[in-house]
Amino acid sequence: AQSVTQLDSHVSVSEGTPVLLRCNYSSSYSPSLFWYVQHPNKGLQLLLKYTSAATLVKGINGFEAEFKKSETSFHLTKPSAHMSDAAEYFCVVTTDNTDKLIFGTGTRLQVFP
Amino acid sequence: NAGVTQTPKFQVLKTGQSMTLQCAQDMNHEYMSWYRQDPGMGLRLIHYSVGAGITDQGEVPNGYNVSRSTTEDFPLRLLSAAPSQTSVYFCASSYKQAGRLSGNTIYFGEGSWLTVV
Repeated sequence: AQSVTQLDSHVSVSEGTPVLLRCNYSSSYSPSLFWYVQHPNKGLQLLLKYTSAATLVKGINGFEAEFKKSETSFHLTKPSAHMSDAAEYFCVVTTDNTDKLIFGTGTRLQVFP
Repeated sequence: NAGVTQTPKFQVLKTGQSMTLQCAQDMNHEYMSWYRQDPGMGLRLIHYSVGAGITDQGEVPNGYNVSRSTTEDFPLRLLSAAPSQTSVYFCASSYKQAGRLSGNTIYFGEGSWLTVV
């Protein structure tokens, strides 16, 4: 069985400071991992994905994530937060033996001026 | 470049009424799915389909029906709406390359806000 745990339901940062959104996963098979962003009253947009290639994945808008198998983690980072980054972020896992995506419960990122 | 289109965007239903949420994609994706989003619970899978004529249940299927008569469309039916079905519903689609969903980008619609009173 697979599962995803987003360790923080809310994260608050000041504009220009680093962002860290934490995600741990559990999977019996080699996982594919995704980060999606949802702005208020909008659908979900793919930020980046890991699919067993390079463990450091770069995404859109300056975000990146590192797959660490030993720690079963896939944390999302950005060196410098922007006001437009304020949104909800979802970590998602799937594997080759299933047609189901498993979502984390989401992390709401607030960015203060 | 439509992508995944959901209608309606907003709907208010009375308990016991029925309705259909429409979902259409123009990317020739084999895989389509419906999720509901509730506060603090992320997105939970209701039903999914891996091709025309094939559907299967997800995590929370009770109270919902689906069908997949064409590759493009995947409607979600509420036969007798209940207040517990008040939620935001998302349709999503993806390729299944060589039968594998894993690793392919999932595309989401903009969501349908449903209130059952």
